[in-house]
Amino acid sequence: ETGVTQSPTHLIKTRGQQVTLRCSSQSGHNTVSWYQQALGQGPQFIFQYYREEENGRGNFPPRFSGLQFPNYSSELNVNALELDDSALYLCASSLANEQFFGPGTRLTVL
Amino acid sequence: AQSVSQHNHHVILSEAASLELGCNYSYGGTVNLFWYVQYPGQHLQLLLKYFSGDPLVKGIKGFEAEFIKSKFSFNLRKPSVQWSDTAEYFCAVNTPGGYNKLIFGAGTRLAVHP
Repeated sequence: ETGVTQSPTHLIKTRGQQVTLRCSSQSGHNTVSWYQQALGQGPQFIFQYYREEENGRGNFPPRFSGLQFPNYSSELNVNALELDDSALYLCASSLANEQFFGPGTRLTVL
Repeated sequence: AQSVSQHNHHVILSEAASLELGCNYSYGGTVNLFWYVQYPGQHLQLLLKYFSGDPLVKGIKGFEAEFIKSKFSFNLRKPSVQWSDTAEYFCAVNTPGGYNKLIFGAGTRLAVHP
């Protein structure tokens, strides 16, 4: 176990809805990154938060947004859900160059 | 843009066979290299990493990888696989400094038969 937790484990939504996924980072880790892992693919970087500020962003539209809180936990929000948003969403916390991944949230969009 | 290629999407081996999974990356500068494993139903776990120094790195569970800079490669090896090595393996790269964004390959699904 990495000490990174995510909730919920599974989620089913319909197109057009909004979703919030949560991540608690490993103790002492001030950086949180979010990844999307579609079926049969490697994780794709969404964005990263460092000390409550977005620190970098991948090739995802603005309807993917996030937050990091003073305790370094984080949220990923996705608005106007599309079918292609169905994926495993991974959170990873880090202090230096090594990232520690949580178990993920499986999002299904119907 | 950086990218990572994993040559084998599916590999099937018998127990005790040797394993080599290919990984190539495209980036001309200094990189950090990683291999992660995802066992069925479990989260991504770090197998090994290379930042600098000896290009032959040893990881957990008997895995090792060799960084060959001239070939932009970081292949994963294990001399004798076990049934418990059945999993998906991901190669990843990031660049030192800047923000810590990992670029992953598409993964290799390994099935080991007893």
